[in-house]
This record gives sequence, structure tokens and C-alpha cells, in this order.
Amino acid sequence: DQQVKQNSPSLSVQEGRISILNCDYTNSMFDYFLWYKKYPAEGPTFLISISSIKDKNEDGRFTVFLNKSAKHLSLHIVPSQPGDSAVYFCAASRELYSGGGADGLTFGKGTHLIIQP
Amino acid sequence: DTGVSQDPRHKITKRGQNVTFRCDPISEHNRLYWYRQTLGQGPEFLTYFQNEAQLEKSRLLSDRFSAERPKGSFSTLEIQRTEQGDSAMYLCASSLASGGQLLDLAKNIQYFGAGTRLSVL
Repeated sequence: DQQVKQNSPSLSVQEGRISILNCDYTNSMFDYFLWYKKYPAEGPTFLISISSIKDKNEDGRFTVFLNKSAKHLSLHIVPSQPGDSAVYFCAASRELYSGGGADGLTFGKGTHLIIQP
Repeated sequence: DTGVSQDPRHKITKRGQNVTFRCDPISEHNRLYWYRQTLGQGPEFLTYFQNEAQLEKSRLLSDRFSAERPKGSFSTLEIQRTEQGDSAMYLCASSLASGGQLLDLAKNIQYFGAGTRLSVL
């Protein structure tokens, strides 16, 4: 039973346009969400996070939106750049329930973003 | 570079052999996590340490797996009697505890190492 789902295995976007990556979750106890970016042969790199008390968090070109009622979050990258080509993972945790992330992060399967010149 | 360091980067072993991996977390981080990632999947949580105490284990961590963090700094993950199904990328992450307050979660970001890729022949 996948608790975090990324339904698009891949996404192709033209350079300069907006990239929108989606993530759905089923566990209503998740209260903290993160996006990681992964290049081949490297570990996941933290991008941006959001807690359940917010519905938006912005950091430069990256914005994460959280819709708790729909159990849905999305990552917007604008403008998209060639260096953004990577696999993006959505992750969630139960911070308050577990006393601070003690049961680890639950990841989706990832979306491979390809930025075309 | 003061990020999370894992050694070795690659390990090839024969079925039935024991293997041990090492993780050095970011120096001031008190939490250390192990994950496993197989092809086409996201990382899956295995176990977690707060300082030297192992506080949580996933059901994925069979009794052939053991992890230690003896002095609350580096950690080792040992797999005994390896099986072909153990072939995966083993990732280590570390974070700094913030007490679980939703307003202060910037410190709960987990930073990952590059991983150890295990191939069991």
C-alpha cells in the first residue's frame, strides 16, 4: 500500500516554462512534506519543505503548494532550467505523531523531469 | 566537504557472504537514518538512531540486518548471509532534532549521502 504516490513517472518541459510535479498521499497523519532532487549516482538532495500548518512555501524558483483536504501537494519550478533535469521525489513524515520524524520519511517513486532546450 | 559520507560507494559480494557499510553523518547532527532504494522505487526507511540509541526499526529490517551507532557519531549497517534480493542502494541520512514542533521543522530536514550500491551475485 503506497502512502505517497507520484503518478507521473516522467515529465518533459521546455526550458523557460513552468514545471509542475504532483504528489498525492493517503495517510492523514502526515504533517510534514519535503521534495528531494536526485541526479544519477548521487544521493537525494533536499529542495524545499512545507508543514501542514501552511499551504504554500516559496524558495527562489521553487514553490510547494499543499492542499490538505485533497491530500495533494505540488512542486512548481519556474522558469525551468536544463540543470533541473533530474528525478524528483516527494516525501512525507509524521512529525508530531512520532515525536519528530522518528519513523523516517515515506517517499514516492519519483518523477523524472526532463528539461528540453 | 562536511556532508554525509558513505563508504564504500560500491560493493559486489557473493550470496551468503556478510557485508558492512559505514556512514559518517554531518558532525553536529544527532539523528541518523538508513534507507534502502531499489530500481524504480523511492528510498524505503530501514532504521533510525537518536545519538547512540536505535529507536525505530522498519519491518523491512530482517534479522540478518543489524545497525549500530556506538558513540553517537558514525554508524555501520551489516547484512549477514546476503541474498540476491538484498541488492540495492543503501542510503544514509542525518538530521538535527528540533523537538517535533511544526513551526521549527527546518532542523528536521534529512540530508543524504551518496549511498552504497550493493550487488549480490
